[in-house]
Amino acid sequence: GENVEQHPSTLSVQEGDSAVIKCTYSDSASNYFPWYKQELGKRPQLIIDIRSNVGEKKDQRIAVTLNKTAKHFSLHITETQPEDSAVYFCAATLREGGADGLTFGKGTHLIIQP
Amino acid sequence: DTAVSQTPKYLVTQMGNDKSIKCEQNLGHDTMYWYKQDSKKFLKIMFSYNNKELIINETVPNRFSPKSPDKAHLNLHINSLELGDSAVYFCASSQQGTTGELFFGEGSRLTVL
Repeated sequence: GENVEQHPSTLSVQEGDSAVIKCTYSDSASNYFPWYKQELGKRPQLIIDIRSNVGEKKDQRIAVTLNKTAKHFSLHITETQPEDSAVYFCAATLREGGADGLTFGKGTHLIIQP
Repeated sequence: DTAVSQTPKYLVTQMGNDKSIKCEQNLGHDTMYWYKQDSKKFLKIMFSYNNKELIINETVPNRFSPKSPDKAHLNLHINSLELGDSAVYFCASSQQGTTGELFFGEGSRLTVL
């Protein structure tokens, strides 16, 4: 099965600085890589995703990059704000749109320092 | 208009008891899941059901038994609860053939004393 590694486990940045979270996956057949944000006491929610036929995707202050050769993908948040504080999870799936569900990384606790 | 709803939100019980968590989705999705989130926030899939049929059953003790009466409902029954079962259990749904985005319920926090 798929195995997803995520680093760092905790990341503290000054408000306004950028944050980068990195993930690697094990199965080269994986083709869909979403990122979820979980605020304290809330449910995980999708913030951005990328498919295997795309190298980069951007949505306002967040962007994801994918390197299929190296089997790693990253989340970039620019101009961080207090509301960005949360736990972020990367995930991968072997079959986009299938019933296999997502394999999640262990999460990164992002702390935005005022 | 909650998309994925689960009850109860909080559950406190004694070791050895049996408890159930219910989940319902009104998104018309054909796949539903149970995920367990432990104290370290690790999200791990337990079960996946597609149109009432079990697709995935990860290495979960057989004290955990999912039941899907129809494709909009997926319940989780846990027998002989143990201290290590304390966690937040998330129900989720997705639609096959689309992006695979998971829509999560609010979670059910189970505390076993």
